[in-house]
Order: sequence, then C-alpha cells, then structure tokens
Amino acid sequence: EIVLTQSPATLSLSPGERATLSCRASQSVSSYLAWYQQKPGQAPRLLIYDTSNRATGIPARFSGSGSGTDFTLTISSLEPEDFAVYYCQQRSSWPPITFGQGTRLEMK
Amino acid sequence: QVQLVESGGGVVQPGGSLRLSCAASRFTFSTYGIHWVRQAPGKGLEWVAVLSYDGNYPHYADSVKGRFTISRDTSQTTLYLQMNSLRAEDTAVYYCATDQGRYFLSGDMDVWGQGTTVTVSS
Repeated sequence: EIVLTQSPATLSLSPGERATLSCRASQSVSSYLAWYQQKPGQAPRLLIYDTSNRATGIPARFSGSGSGTDFTLTISSLEPEDFAVYYCQQRSSWPPITFGQGTRLEMK
Repeated sequence: QVQLVESGGGVVQPGGSLRLSCAASRFTFSTYGIHWVRQAPGKGLEWVAVLSYDGNYPHYADSVKGRFTISRDTSQTTLYLQMNSLRAEDTAVYYCATDQGRYFLSGDMDVWGQGTTVTVSS
C-alpha cells in the first residue's frame, strides 16, 4: 500500500498570500496524484488530477506540480473561500486508493 | 448537473448490518464506476470500495473485505453498499463518488454526494 504524507499539518496564512502544500509518497506514483478540497460539513471536491490538471470549474489560482514521490499544490493568491482541508490521493497502484492525512489551511 | 444522494445510514449495534444506497440523477450511471469513501469523526478520508461501470469488477479496502459488498441495481441508477458484521471502527460518514473515467476505472473521484452517517455503537 502506498502511504501519502502531507505537510504541513496546518498552514496559517492570510488572504492574498500564496499557499504551498506538499504531499510525499512512500513510492513512486508517477503522475497519478490528485488533490481534493473539503470544507466543514461538506463533501470533498476534486481540484487537481494527474498532478497538474484542474478539474472542471476549478479557478486558475489552483495549480499542481511534481512527479514520482514529491508533489505540490499551490494556491497563488488565497481567497477567503479557500480556507479548508486539502487531501492528496494516489491512483498509481490500487486497490487500495490511498489519501494523505490532510493539510488544514487556516486563516491567520 | 450530476447529483448523487446517499441514504440508509443510522445507528446499529456491533455485529449488525446496514445497507447504504447512492441514487444518481442527471447522469449516465451505466457508463461510470462509483466509489464509496468514508470519513470517521474528525479524521481523514478512507477509500472503501468501487464498482466498475458494468458491475462486473468490485474492489475493496482490506479493512472491509469479506464484510461489505458493493452492487448496483438492474436499472443501474442506484449503487448499494451492504455492510455486515459492523464494528465500532466502521463509524463514519459514507460518501459515494463517481469515478472520473467513462467505461473504465481511473481511480479519481469526480462528483460526490453529501454523505450518510453510520454509527456503530451498543
């Protein structure tokens, strides 16, 4: 099973700042890495798939990069609605599909 | 716009059973696989199971294998998760979500329902 480790656990930033979230895999996942956003009381929402492809309707301020074992989700300029928990997920070697433990992006 | 609605959650004693449903609308249900993902209280996301678009290829997490069964009805607009031998650690919000691939399983989850809560407690 591929283990995904996200860092930091919590990120405190202000609106307008740049956010950089990391996800490291226990073995290569090639480019098969996705990112999801989850707000309190809501279902997750797919943001990025295959490392860098934005899902339908996702704003351009969200971008993904990386390959192999190290991946990054960048939010170029934080909007108030971006404060949420973010999960990475791999589909390189499944089942099982695995998720990271999440990064909480909170407003400073 | 695609909509998924889960139902069937509730409170059940350890060792008991529940069947969750995931109803799809405005969606060509028969051409996409569907996943179940759960989230224990205050915890992260855990993938549970997936069924291929044609219903022929189920896959399960080790934590539920042999206890949970995923299926879809003959009209192919509702997905089910039959949960037997429930344990306290199965307590979670259960979400269904469409696979992003059409006629194949990609492993990415595109559209999600709002979730249904399962509590296993005596």
